[in-house]
Amino acid sequence: GDSVTQMEGPVTLSEEAFLTINCTYTATGYPSLFWYVQYPGEGLQLLLKATKADDKGSNKGFEATYRKETTSFHLEKGSVQVSDSAVYFCALPESGTYKYIFGTGTRLKVLA
Amino acid sequence: GAGVSQSPSNKVTEKGKDVELRCDPISGHTALYWYRQSLGQGLEFLIYFQGNSAPDKSGLPSDRFSAERTGGSVSTLTIQRTQQEDSAVYLCASSWSSGGLAKNIQYFGAGTRLSVL
Repeated sequence: GDSVTQMEGPVTLSEEAFLTINCTYTATGYPSLFWYVQYPGEGLQLLLKATKADDKGSNKGFEATYRKETTSFHLEKGSVQVSDSAVYFCALPESGTYKYIFGTGTRLKVLA
Repeated sequence: GAGVSQSPSNKVTEKGKDVELRCDPISGHTALYWYRQSLGQGLEFLIYFQGNSAPDKSGLPSDRFSAERTGGSVSTLTIQRTQQEDSAVYLCASSWSSGGLAKNIQYFGAGTRLSVL
């Protein structure tokens, strides 16, 4: 079945450091791919998405490229800020259903 | 409303008591979803509504869990005879009608943190 695998956290970085959070997936066909972010005490918010191979989603300085050859959708940011501290989830819609499949989440902590 | 609203934001209950969690989706969204987020775990799908109907309840972990949706809007997730393992954050999401497929972006509420003592 469809699945999402995310790198384990927590990830601790200094402000202005480069961020990569790995995400790989298994799916039938070529589903849309999503990154959601959950700030402390809040619900999940859509951060960015890509709907087809080679698409690059971007938002708030974050980017992720849909790579079908490596079945990956890694999240990157060139210079993180303390306000980026949150939990990040990679997700995709399960083939032929109404459900999203989420990764286990990666907690990011950015130190000033 | 402007976003998905869930209440209460926090609920502390004693083992064996029943609890009700409420979700008010974005106005016009006909699809509604419940997920559970346990400590250190990812999001676990529980149930999906299209209008007032729940085509698939197989994600509910036991028969102590039930959910309903009335008027195609507000949904209530009920947990009977709560157990400590029910402690988690319960998240609700809504989206435009997807015709049974998760094509449309799901918008999430802030969740209800349930603690069973």
